[in-house]
Amino acid sequence: AQSVTQLGSHVSVSEGALVLLRCNYSSSVPPYLFWYVQYPNQGLQLLLKYTSAATLVKGINGFEAEFKKSETSFHLTKPSAHMSDAAEYFCAVSPSGGSYIPTFGRGTSLIVHP
Amino acid sequence: ETGVTQTPRHLVMGMTNKKSLKCEQHLGHNAMYWYKQSAKKPLELMFVYSLEERVENNSVPSRFSPECPNSSHLFLHLHTLQPEDSALYLCASSQDLAGGQYEQYFGPGTRLTVT
Repeated sequence: AQSVTQLGSHVSVSEGALVLLRCNYSSSVPPYLFWYVQYPNQGLQLLLKYTSAATLVKGINGFEAEFKKSETSFHLTKPSAHMSDAAEYFCAVSPSGGSYIPTFGRGTSLIVHP
Repeated sequence: ETGVTQTPRHLVMGMTNKKSLKCEQHLGHNAMYWYKQSAKKPLELMFVYSLEERVENNSVPSRFSPECPNSSHLFLHLHTLQPEDSALYLCASSQDLAGGQYEQYFGPGTRLTVT
């Protein structure tokens, strides 16, 4: 069984500041990991995914995430926040092998102040 | 149309009505999903279909009835709903379930209000 914990239901940053959204996972086998973003009144959209290649994954809109096996973490970062980054962010985990359905975290709402 | 489409985008229904939500994916994917997203609650997986066969049913009340006539279409039939069923219903698809490495593509959702 797998699970995902996103620390902080809300994260507030100033425009231009570093964005850090935390995700910790548990999985009995090597995982695949995903970050999705949801803008108001829209569905979820893939930001990036880790599939056991490079541990530092670059995604769209300047976001990146680093897979750290020893810390069971996959935190999402962006060097400089933009007002348009305000949205809900979801981390998801899916174990490798077999037919597995991903498990989503509860989401973190990113608030960007001017 | 590209990606995953959902109709209608908004639906208001009484508790005694019967309605259906429609999802269509134009990506050639083999797996399709229904999720329920309520305010202040985590994303809830409702149903999963792989190659038109239901592979997951997460203890969803029988007033929700899914149908997958082919790999491109997914329906959610609704009847005698309760006010707590008001939520955003999201449809998603992925290339396959096998291996778990495939990302999901989501539709824009249907905002359902039960009065």
